[in-house]
Amino acid sequence: DSGVTQTPKHLITATGQRVTLRCSPRSGDLSVYWYQQSLDQGLQFLIQYYNGEERAKGNILERFSAQQFPDLHSELNLSSLELGDSALYFCASSVDRAGAEQYFGPGTRLTVT
Amino acid sequence: AQTVTQSQPEMSVQEAETVTLSCTYDTSENNYYLFWYKQPPSRQMILVIRQEAYKQQNATENRFSVNFQKAAKSFSLKISDSQLGDTAMYFCAFMKPFNYGQNFVFGPGTRLSVLP
Repeated sequence: DSGVTQTPKHLITATGQRVTLRCSPRSGDLSVYWYQQSLDQGLQFLIQYYNGEERAKGNILERFSAQQFPDLHSELNLSSLELGDSALYFCASSVDRAGAEQYFGPGTRLTVT
Repeated sequence: AQTVTQSQPEMSVQEAETVTLSCTYDTSENNYYLFWYKQPPSRQMILVIRQEAYKQQNATENRFSVNFQKAAKSFSLKISDSQLGDTAMYFCAFMKPFNYGQNFVFGPGTRLSVLP
């Protein structure tokens, strides 16, 4: 158990809908990272937040957004969902902003039908 | 942009034997990290080993060790005394420290099967 929690574990929704994925970092960690793992794109970094502020962006679509709240939990919002958004979404956390030691959560499996 | 290549989509090894997984990467950066992550059937991402580019000494973690060749941009993982629990997807990853802007790139993975 990495100490990073993600909810829900599974999510099934229809195209065009909007969903929110939630992540709670390890106690004491200030950075949260979101990753997408899909069959065609592999593992991709999406976005990083550090202590409430966006720090780095990767291959995140404009339909996706994230935020980190004062209690340091983070939410990833996915809107106008398409079939291709079906993937495993991981959250990771680290104590610092450099990210050399990240702990991954168990992931949320999103299925868009 | 950085790229990470894993040329072996699948490998198998007998229990107790040694196996080496290959990884090459392309970067113009001088300060970076390299990782091997393991993803077993549970889908959990587990850090196996980490190498800092400025360190010449190869990282080791129990049965796992790397051969880091900076000039050749090669970062292979050796698993000694393979165990059934080592069966998993293994991802090589490159990271430029987030202090200097994001860049975290994963390779396509190598599926390792440890055979009894």
